[in-house]
Amino acid sequence: DVKVTQSSRYLVKRTGEKVFLECVQDMDHENMFWYRQDPGLGLRLIYFSYDVKMKEKGDIPEGYSVSREKKERFSLILESASTNQTSMYLCASRPARGTQHFGDGTRLSIL
Amino acid sequence: GESVGLHLPTLSVQEGDNSIINCAYSNSASDYFIWYKQESGKGPQFIIDIRSNMDKRQGQRVTVLLNKTVKHLSLQIAATQPGDSAVYFCAENGAYKLSFGAGTTVTVRA
Repeated sequence: DVKVTQSSRYLVKRTGEKVFLECVQDMDHENMFWYRQDPGLGLRLIYFSYDVKMKEKGDIPEGYSVSREKKERFSLILESASTNQTSMYLCASRPARGTQHFGDGTRLSIL
Repeated sequence: GESVGLHLPTLSVQEGDNSIINCAYSNSASDYFIWYKQESGKGPQFIIDIRSNMDKRQGQRVTVLLNKTVKHLSLQIAATQPGDSAVYFCAENGAYKLSFGAGTTVTVRA
């Protein structure tokens, strides 16, 4: 089975902090993704990566950056956290043009 | 605007009955769709997928129907069980990303 692991299930941070969300997949997938999920808005794509050190902006990249130094790991960075970034964050991975597999999410609260 | 949308945000169904969840899409070039199920506290889980060269695909207790003429797809769950209570998403699987609808919350009544 594909395993996508997000390092934290729940996280509480303060406004202005730099926040790192980590995601690891164990299936040697080329593509990795970060989404945020908000009530009534569904899943929205923040960033994705189709290879090591490669990244592409999704639909809502503002306020975020990403890092992919190794194939199995994709990190989402909030450079200066704000309250409107309180959300559920979901990481996913997939083989090229295959089906995305999701982690169980990190519920992030910014106070 | 949203490229994939679900018709109803909630669906209440009696245990043992069949459930039908609908989804519409706008891009006639879309050729690959996926249904996901998301239980409380978990990430979305793959249920079934369908490509545009098919009209119907069946899995275990689930069937997906694709009508390319009206750009509509549906997920049918047979003999709905309490464990089927979840949020269901349809998604268009594009070259680089998924485009999700907002989701339908299915509640199973005992």
